[in-house]
Amino acid sequence: KQEVTQIPAALSVPEGENLVLNCSFTDSAIYNLQWFRQDPGKGLTSLLLIQSSQREQTSGRLNASLDKSSGRSTLYIAASQPGDSATYLCAVGRGNTPLVFGKGTRLSVIA
Amino acid sequence: GAVVSQHPSRVICKSGTSVKIECRSLDFQATTMFWYRQFPKQSLMLMATSNEGSKATYEQGVEKDKFLINHASLTLSTLTVTSAHPEDSSFYICSARDQMGGGYGYTFGSGTRLTVV
Repeated sequence: KQEVTQIPAALSVPEGENLVLNCSFTDSAIYNLQWFRQDPGKGLTSLLLIQSSQREQTSGRLNASLDKSSGRSTLYIAASQPGDSATYLCAVGRGNTPLVFGKGTRLSVIA
Repeated sequence: GAVVSQHPSRVICKSGTSVKIECRSLDFQATTMFWYRQFPKQSLMLMATSNEGSKATYEQGVEKDKFLINHASLTLSTLTVTSAHPEDSSFYICSARDQMGGGYGYTFGSGTRLTVV
């Protein structure tokens, strides 16, 4: 059974810092990995999708890497801003099966 | 990109009543939709897989008679919480994937906050 772990569970940083969120998964037989952002009481916004054949994806200040063999992914956020404060969720997928989620990292960026 | 619309966003109901939540794929056809539940400060837990034209597949521990799922068309799936109780209060969210759109990511609805009083 696939299990996804995210570390740290919570993180508080001053504005402007670069930060890394970690995600690990137990079964490396995945098709893709997706990072989401969730604001309190809201739905999920997809940030980055990495196919299993890819090693990283970038969007603006965000960069996600994937090491499938070791079962790890990182989300790098450059020059963090207060607006980045949210919960970041990592999820892995395999074909048409539903995504398996980690518990998320609650990020707080302090002005 | 693919958009999933979910309604209502928030609902308060009395204990014992039923509540219907709708999930629509706006610009793509979704033969499969997934329904998740999220308790405060917890991650999303899959409740069931909704299949167009056939019965839903429920995860272990989820009561199929309590959480009725109907996927009558390629763009609409509904979740009905029957005889709701306070312990059913949670955040419910659906997702689908545009299999024809070239990408492989999942799109999520905006979620429904259910409060049973």
